[in-house]
Amino acid sequence: QSALTQPASVSGSPGQSITISCTGTSSDIGGYNFVSWYQQHPGKAPKLMIYDVTMRPSGVSNRFSASKSGNTASLTISGLQAEDEADYYCSSYTTSSTYVFGAGTKVTVL
Amino acid sequence: EVQLLESGGGLVQPGGSLRLSCAASGFTFRSYSMSWVRQAPGKGLEWVSGIGGSGTPTYYADSVKGRFTMSRDNSKNTLFLQMNSLRVEDTAIYYCVKYGSTSCCSDWGQGTLATVSS
Repeated sequence: QSALTQPASVSGSPGQSITISCTGTSSDIGGYNFVSWYQQHPGKAPKLMIYDVTMRPSGVSNRFSASKSGNTASLTISGLQAEDEADYYCSSYTTSSTYVFGAGTKVTVL
Repeated sequence: EVQLLESGGGLVQPGGSLRLSCAASGFTFRSYSMSWVRQAPGKGLEWVSGIGGSGTPTYYADSVKGRFTMSRDNSKNTLFLQMNSLRVEDTAIYYCVKYGSTSCCSDWGQGTLATVSS
């Protein structure tokens, strides 16, 4: 199972919006509505930010939103803040009944 | 509050074995599927294995299939990962992860580091 494709880095100024893409295949993202996004700060465990393509767990800011079209999922962070600087990973369920992650995107707040 | 506490990591030589454990609390353990996810130093996340609430079914990434075995003891709220024939490339932080209501991975432990080196 090949990793999902994410940009290595995305940056934005405070208050701006940024979008991270995550591209897979019809065997993962395109085939299921089980796409998740995770935030990871250095030295910390990942934190679930989005599940089932668009759902936000309780406690996650509504500045985080997500969508999916075909084999590509996207995470948008609105009103970018300093604490949003972190690595972000997408993940999807697959036809093999396993999960696959993206390689990660480093978000930098300028 | 969900708590997942991993243990069992350490230094082992190539070809050796390690058994990781994860003590779970704060939720009805037997009702949830669980996974192990690993992260090599400075690298991204890699899903390793998953297990149903009753102990079956189990699923594995191709990279560990035939070498790793995932199991659980619902009477002790504990998850296990038996890792055999370890390779240098298995060096990673191993996270114990709880599924949400529909899919992986809603809650994460702090991880345990397994280092495979001669």
